[in-house]
Amino acid sequence: KAGVTQTPRYLIKTRGQQVTLSCSPISGHRSVSWYQQTPGQGLQFLFEYFSETQRNKGNFPGRFSGRQFSNSRSEMNVSTLELGDSALYLCASSSLEGGGETQYFGPGTRLLVL
Amino acid sequence: GESVGLHLPTLSVQEGDNSIINCAYSNSASDYFIWYKQESGKGPQFIIDIRSNMDKRQGQRVTVLLNKTVKHLSLQIAATQPGDSAVYFCAETNQAGTALIFGKGTTLSVSS
Repeated sequence: KAGVTQTPRYLIKTRGQQVTLSCSPISGHRSVSWYQQTPGQGLQFLFEYFSETQRNKGNFPGRFSGRQFSNSRSEMNVSTLELGDSALYLCASSSLEGGGETQYFGPGTRLLVL
Repeated sequence: GESVGLHLPTLSVQEGDNSIINCAYSNSASDYFIWYKQESGKGPQFIIDIRSNMDKRQGQRVTVLLNKTVKHLSLQIAATQPGDSAVYFCAETNQAGTALIFGKGTTLSVSS
């Protein structure tokens, strides 16, 4: 099976702009989670979607949002970008409905905000 | 609160040695733990997992040990190779079971 794919891989934006990142999960996986990775804060959970519903949300401001489509593909959006949003954004997918299962990660989208 | 941490930020070993990477977690209700390996420029790669009803689980050259009494998790890598050089993260599921909580990572450097 193909792994988790994320597009774009690299992105440069300026403060105040908005950005949309895309994630395609492993075929058959219905749960998609998003994480932000920075040198200072490490890997932090943003949100998780299952069957187009957000089941869990991390401690991030409302500028961070996401959605999931009927084919399980997911997008996350960051509005009004700040310098501190520069990070590697990782998407992970898992197969089972109940949670507590292995999450497989994509290569990430590296966002630089200038 | 829920948090997962690693004891050492860096670990340097010689090729062929056994490596042990440690992790302490704080949430006694966590029931699923995973070790990931992250190489430069890549996303975290699944290594091995363990559920709270187990004390030990073995994979290919890797073993995970779980000590629920002291809330400690460890990853043992046998016969460490240069290709094992990476950052290693432990993670636990939160109580809802839908998010991973990661430790800060240990950078393993293997010299030949």
